[in-house]
Amino acid sequence: AQSVTQLDSQVPVFEEAPVELRCNYSSSVSVYLFWYVQYPNQGLQLLLKYLSGSTLVKGINGFEAEFNKSQTSFHLRKPSVHISDTAEYFCAVSEDNFNKIYFGSGTKLNVKP
Amino acid sequence: DGGITQSPKYLFRKEGQNVTLSCEQNLNHDAMYWYRQDPGQGLRLIYYSQIVNDFQKGDIAEGYSVSREKKESFPLTVTSAQKNPTAFYLCASSPGYEAFFGQGTRLTVV
Repeated sequence: AQSVTQLDSQVPVFEEAPVELRCNYSSSVSVYLFWYVQYPNQGLQLLLKYLSGSTLVKGINGFEAEFNKSQTSFHLRKPSVHISDTAEYFCAVSEDNFNKIYFGSGTKLNVKP
Repeated sequence: DGGITQSPKYLFRKEGQNVTLSCEQNLNHDAMYWYRQDPGQGLRLIYYSQIVNDFQKGDIAEGYSVSREKKESFPLTVTSAQKNPTAFYLCASSPGYEAFFGQGTRLTVV
């Protein structure tokens, strides 16, 4: 079974600063990779996904992530954050049969003015 | 509008009672999932179903049951055997390459 590690449970950052949220997964078999965002008391919204092709993936709200197969990582980045980016972010991994989706424990991004 | 509908949004249950959470989708997805979310623990898979009339246990299935009699519907029953049922429950569906989530049901045992 896959395991997904998000090392940072909370990331405080000032508005307009860059941010990186880290994600590592356990298996080197063919995988699909995702980042989701969750606002309080709501479901998860897809930010971006890697299925195949270019390792640099661009998503909504100015976020991007880079798939690094050798390091089994899929870190999320944004060059300049906004107050409205304050939310919890989840990294997820699925093997290519997509029977199960494995989630990390989440990273709370707190953007300060 | 296409999407996944979970109801109710908030649910209160007395100890010892079974309760059923509803999940309906009109996206024509074959696969559906139930997750439980607790603070600091991410999402843990309870049950999943790849096709009608078939479902498999996830990582924390004890104390829960599901059915998949229709493609659109995947209700979750939290039984009295679940020792700590207070949590946020999320339903998802998938066409095979991405998961789409409902807005969740917050269950509180009183």
